[in-house]
Amino acid sequence: SQTIHQWPATLVQPVGSPLSLECTVEGTSNPNLYWYRQAAGRGLQLLFYSVGIGQISSEVPQNLSASRPQDRQFILSSKKLLLSDSGFYLCAGRWGTEKLFFGSGTQLSVL
Amino acid sequence: EDQVTQSPEALRLQEGESSSLNCSYTVSGLRGLFWYRQDPGKGPEFLFTLYSAGEEKEKERLKATLTKKESFLHITAPKPEDSATYLCAVQDNSGAGSYQLTFGKGTKLSVIP
Repeated sequence: SQTIHQWPATLVQPVGSPLSLECTVEGTSNPNLYWYRQAAGRGLQLLFYSVGIGQISSEVPQNLSASRPQDRQFILSSKKLLLSDSGFYLCAGRWGTEKLFFGSGTQLSVL
Repeated sequence: EDQVTQSPEALRLQEGESSSLNCSYTVSGLRGLFWYRQDPGKGPEFLFTLYSAGEEKEKERLKATLTKKESFLHITAPKPEDSATYLCAVQDNSGAGSYQLTFGKGTKLSVIP
């Protein structure tokens, strides 16, 4: 079965600090992987998606970046966090069907 | 650009009081409409996929229906454990859009004992 692992569950970072959130997945190989952000009062915003190793598509211009060094690993990074980067970050995967499986999320607070 | 609007933003029901949540959408060509349930501090959990107008799907006290412009999530005799935020999303059938879903802001349902 397909499972998405995300950590940590909560993270508090100062403005200007770097960020690295890791997502690993279990299941059939070659999933499409996604990073979403959910801010209070707003819908899920797609940040990045990847259809394979080293292939990243960005949906929103920002100071975040993503990488996919392995088939089952998807990383969200920033060199310098902004206050506006606060939010609930979700990793998701899709295997062949249109249904997305989500991880448990990381609540990021930038202070 | 795909758009999804959910209403109401919040809904309070007494236990056993049936109601419906609405999801209105605009998409060039619908490939699928999805309903998810999200508990506080957790990732969304998949409920249903609907593909064409007239289609219906059921799971326990939930029933999802689809027309050409909107979808309804009907909740029959809800229980307190049905309290959650319900999210609607659409996927269009264009080349780029086939990789992503567009989500609404959700309806927060509270079921009071």
